[in-house]
Amino acid sequence: EVQLVESGGGLVQPGRSLRLSCAASGFTFDDYAMHWVRQAPGRGLEWVSGITWNSRSTGYADSVKGRFTISRDNAKNSLYLQMSSLRSEDTALYYCAKDLRRVLDHRGTFDIWGQGTMVTVSS
Amino acid sequence: SYELTQPLTLSVSPGQTARITCSGDKLGEKYASWYQQRPGQSPVLVIYQDTKRPSGIPERFSGSISGNTATLTISGTQAMDEADYYCQAWDSSIVLFGGGTKLSVL
Repeated sequence: EVQLVESGGGLVQPGRSLRLSCAASGFTFDDYAMHWVRQAPGRGLEWVSGITWNSRSTGYADSVKGRFTISRDNAKNSLYLQMSSLRSEDTALYYCAKDLRRVLDHRGTFDIWGQGTMVTVSS
Repeated sequence: SYELTQPLTLSVSPGQTARITCSGDKLGEKYASWYQQRPGQSPVLVIYQDTKRPSGIPERFSGSISGNTATLTISGTQAMDEADYYCQAWDSSIVLFGGGTKLSVL
């Protein structure tokens, strides 16, 4: 069964850091680009970041550029999101999503999604 | 900055055809994808690369694109199709989502 399982969310104070993880199973992880997408409570979807199959290229939304870092460990079938300088507006459910393609390009789309991990930024 | 615009809500009766639009500058030159999100659940891909349907998605879901507008069509809408629907495209190496359309099947 193809599966993505996120972890690492929780309550964190503004300005602090948090690291999210996503464990993949049921498919050849290192054949695909991967992404993080978030959804604030009651709001729509917002792409956060993406990474190519071989980690050579990454992309970030302007709202997180310079604060968040995406990475992956193909040997562990895992995707990560290191979040620093967190703000209240980063409060959201963070989804891990698999791309149909190996690279980040205009034909990319998200065919598998995890259940999400909730991040709450509050003092 | 680039934006994808969707209607906030759409209501249809069971058995009718629902058409959800997504508009963006030169969207016809990009590829549009569509996601269904039922309450409390993760998004599910229903259409990609404008018109392709993933395996397991019912044939009543179809996609089209013309000019600056992509359209998700649900033929013979069922109660189980009641959900939020989001379009998605890439622009300048950034992924964008539309604001979402809440489809009510009344």
